[in-house]
Amino acid sequence: GAGVSQSPSNKVTEKGKDVELRCDPISGHTALYWYRQSLGQGLEFLIYFQGNSAPDKSGLPSDRFSAERTGGSVSTLTIQRTQQEDSAVYLCASSLVGGRWGYTFGSGTRLTVV
Amino acid sequence: DQQVKQNSPSLSVQEGRISILNCDYTNSMFDYFLWYKKYPAEGPTFLISISSIKDKNEDGRFTVFLNKSAKHLSLHIVPSQPGDSAVYFCAASGNTGTASKLTFGTGTRLQVTL
Repeated sequence: GAGVSQSPSNKVTEKGKDVELRCDPISGHTALYWYRQSLGQGLEFLIYFQGNSAPDKSGLPSDRFSAERTGGSVSTLTIQRTQQEDSAVYLCASSLVGGRWGYTFGSGTRLTVV
Repeated sequence: DQQVKQNSPSLSVQEGRISILNCDYTNSMFDYFLWYKKYPAEGPTFLISISSIKDKNEDGRFTVFLNKSAKHLSLHIVPSQPGDSAVYFCAASGNTGTASKLTFGTGTRLQVTL
């Protein structure tokens, strides 16, 4: 597609429920990233994909968080048993090769856990 | 461990004046620096970048200065316009094992007043 597409744009969920956030990167971009921005905070790295593999998942905050990427394209970030502290804007980005020179972000998914 | 720091959470500047946003980093392996701009409900968008082999890069009203010895960079916007009101993130990357990842600061909210 023309840009990085994320869905849903907004998600409200009850504490303890599981959520899935989707990212559709720019066509042909092999590198894909997930970040999150909590209220008043900066952009916190979560995970990086190169193709379908994740060479760096060091930013995932707990084992309740997981992500996968299939076909070198769409990625899904799953949060199990959501907690209130998971409330944040989750941003996906992609780049043509590695992202060292910068990447293109989607508009994000605003997750609110009530 | 905040490797990229933006110590001013907010800045207010009058239209037509110069805006100066500052960023400090601690990791001496960083050798490429970027500025992103973020409007509410949108993803960050790339603004300007600089390689460590340079000390200045200019693009229209935007200039980024890099002082490697001080591990400091700054973004100058001249003249500032109301449309420049946004959150500005400084980011850095380096030739390290996880080279393909950008590390972001916490952002500075710029407000350009009439």
